[in-house]
Amino acid sequence: KAGVTQTPRYLIKTRGQQVTLSCSPISGHRSVSWYQQTPGQGLQFLFEYFSETQRNKGNFPGRFSGRQFSNSRSEMNVSTLELGDSALYLCASSDPGTVETQYFGPGTRLLVL
Amino acid sequence: AQTVTQSQPEMSVQEAETVTLSCTYDTSESDYYLFWYKQPPSRQMILVIRQEAYKQQNATENRFSVNFQKAAKSFSLKISDSQLGDAAMYFCAYRSAETSGSRLTFGEGTQLTVNP
Repeated sequence: KAGVTQTPRYLIKTRGQQVTLSCSPISGHRSVSWYQQTPGQGLQFLFEYFSETQRNKGNFPGRFSGRQFSNSRSEMNVSTLELGDSALYLCASSDPGTVETQYFGPGTRLLVL
Repeated sequence: AQTVTQSQPEMSVQEAETVTLSCTYDTSESDYYLFWYKQPPSRQMILVIRQEAYKQQNATENRFSVNFQKAAKSFSLKISDSQLGDAAMYFCAYRSAETSGSRLTFGEGTQLTVNP
């Protein structure tokens, strides 16, 4: 099976702009989670979608939003970008089951200038 | 809320030697899962090993094994016969089995260097 894919891989934006990141899960996986990774805060959970519904949400401002489509692909959107939003954004998908192990994509590196 | 702590920001090991990375966690739950992920310079997070809390037997995956001490809330990773390709950042992660969802709580990470 193909792994989790994320597009774009790199992105440069300026403050105040908005950005949309995309994630395609492993075939058959219905859960998609998003994480933000920064040197200062480490890995932080943003939100999780399962069957097009948000199942969990982390402690991020409302500028961070997401959605999931019927084919399980997910997008996350960040509006009114701030310098502190510069980070590696990781997407992970999991197979419904007992353990629901998450498998990660390569990430999107966002730089806000 | 659960927390995961990795007290070793950096570790180094000689090639072919054994190294142990430490992880402790805090939870009031009795049913959960624990994971070790590695993140090489490519930044791709790769699953190394996982442990179900209800299983007393420690998980092993080839050269990787864990020492799971539930009462002590400790979950260390042992890498045997270390290889240059093992050099990476290693993250310990916790997932609840008592709430819905796949949300992971990560530790701060341990940077492992493998010396030839």
